[in-house]
Amino acid sequence: DAGITQSPRHKVTETGTPVTLRCHQTENHRYMYWYRQDPGHGLRLIHYSYGVKDTDKGEVSDGYSVSRSKTEDFLLTLESATSSQTSVYFCAISERDSNTGELFFGEGSRLTVL
Amino acid sequence: KNQVEQSPQSLIILEGKNCTLQCNYTVSPFSNLRWYKQDTGRGPVSLTIMTFSENTKSNGRYTATLDADTKQSSLHITASQLSDSASYICVVSQTGANNLFFGTGTRLTVIP
Repeated sequence: DAGITQSPRHKVTETGTPVTLRCHQTENHRYMYWYRQDPGHGLRLIHYSYGVKDTDKGEVSDGYSVSRSKTEDFLLTLESATSSQTSVYFCAISERDSNTGELFFGEGSRLTVL
Repeated sequence: KNQVEQSPQSLIILEGKNCTLQCNYTVSPFSNLRWYKQDTGRGPVSLTIMTFSENTKSNGRYTATLDADTKQSSLHITASQLSDSASYICVVSQTGANNLFFGTGTRLTVIP
């Protein structure tokens, strides 16, 4: 299994509070991604990173920010959580861009915003 | 509009039987097509990746086919096992764009 660890795996929070999800990899892959998975939708890209301090927005980036200060860590922050951000969040990594590189996913972080 | 549609949404089969899952896409220009298996409560795991020139690709009891002309793919599972119970997700990559288009998946349940 690819060395990807997401934390926390489960979190319940209240509307308006900040939340940070962490993705840690031991594979030294250049690309890291954050996706959310909701019933009735395919996985949707929130943000991705193509190197340390290099990030870009995905399809559903509103309300989310990311940071990557080290190759191995990619943080996803919800500055002020809303109920619409209740979801399962997956981190993924790849050696090459997602177009050509194989994606390896973490185990997911289930976030509930009350 | 770039889309990936999978059918059926869910499927129940008896252990030992074969089944075929379908994926139709409108993504253009096409780069590659992937099938992932996602166990409940786990992250997706890659089964196959096929490029434009590949018609068939196997991974054990899993065989994926691709018809780039009709923009259709199928995933055939042979001699199903209880451990095959999972969601199977079709994903299409678009040339020149660092983005993937995910289907909503087919939920397969294998019963004894």
